[in-house]
Amino acid sequence: NAGVTQTPKFQVLKTGQSMTLQCAQDMNHNSMYWYRQDPGMGLRLIYYSASEGTTDKGEVPNGYNVSRLNKREFSLRLESAAPSQTSVYFCASRDRGYANSYEQYFGPGTRLTVT
Amino acid sequence: ELKVEQNPLFLSMQEGKNYTIYCNYSTTSDRLYWYRQDPGKSLESLFVLLSNGAVKQEGRLMASLDTKARLSTLHITAAVHDLSATYFCAVLLIQGAQKLVFGQGTRLTINP
Repeated sequence: NAGVTQTPKFQVLKTGQSMTLQCAQDMNHNSMYWYRQDPGMGLRLIYYSASEGTTDKGEVPNGYNVSRLNKREFSLRLESAAPSQTSVYFCASRDRGYANSYEQYFGPGTRLTVT
Repeated sequence: ELKVEQNPLFLSMQEGKNYTIYCNYSTTSDRLYWYRQDPGKSLESLFVLLSNGAVKQEGRLMASLDTKARLSTLHITAAVHDLSATYFCAVLLIQGAQKLVFGQGTRLTINP
């Protein structure tokens, strides 16, 4: 099992460009999440999908859109990138887990720079 | 709104010493997670604490949870250089979609 995979690993964009970050999981999890991590801060939730067909805003959704393409895939789109969106983006997935642990499993991250 | 605070945020210690990282949170939850992150890497799960009084140990690391005090600790015994990393606690928001709220992280440097 690959777990949670993300593409691309690195990306440099110019201000105003658009791009989509891809995430896939092979653990048959219902819930998927997108986070961003900025220097000196913990992860902050951008959007999440509690189950296939549903998406909801997290703590910092402005400037982003998401699509839950199917149970495996959850993509994050930046329509018009801004320097403030320079960050490391992590995707995660979870199910109830052992003893209802609700433990989340994280992908390797995408390092995005917007110039 | 659930807030999670870790302290200290930076910790530099010598090999062989003991120390504790604290994680306080502001609203009721009985699910707390500790993660390790090495520079440029993703988060690695260390401990999942599922109830009041839970204690888990792995090597030189031990984590505990006191849900009444809304406090978790990560204790490091006889630190070694390989434990240098950033450690995050995260608390499960039990209402709604069970979202995780992270602390700011503790950057731990262990000097020989």
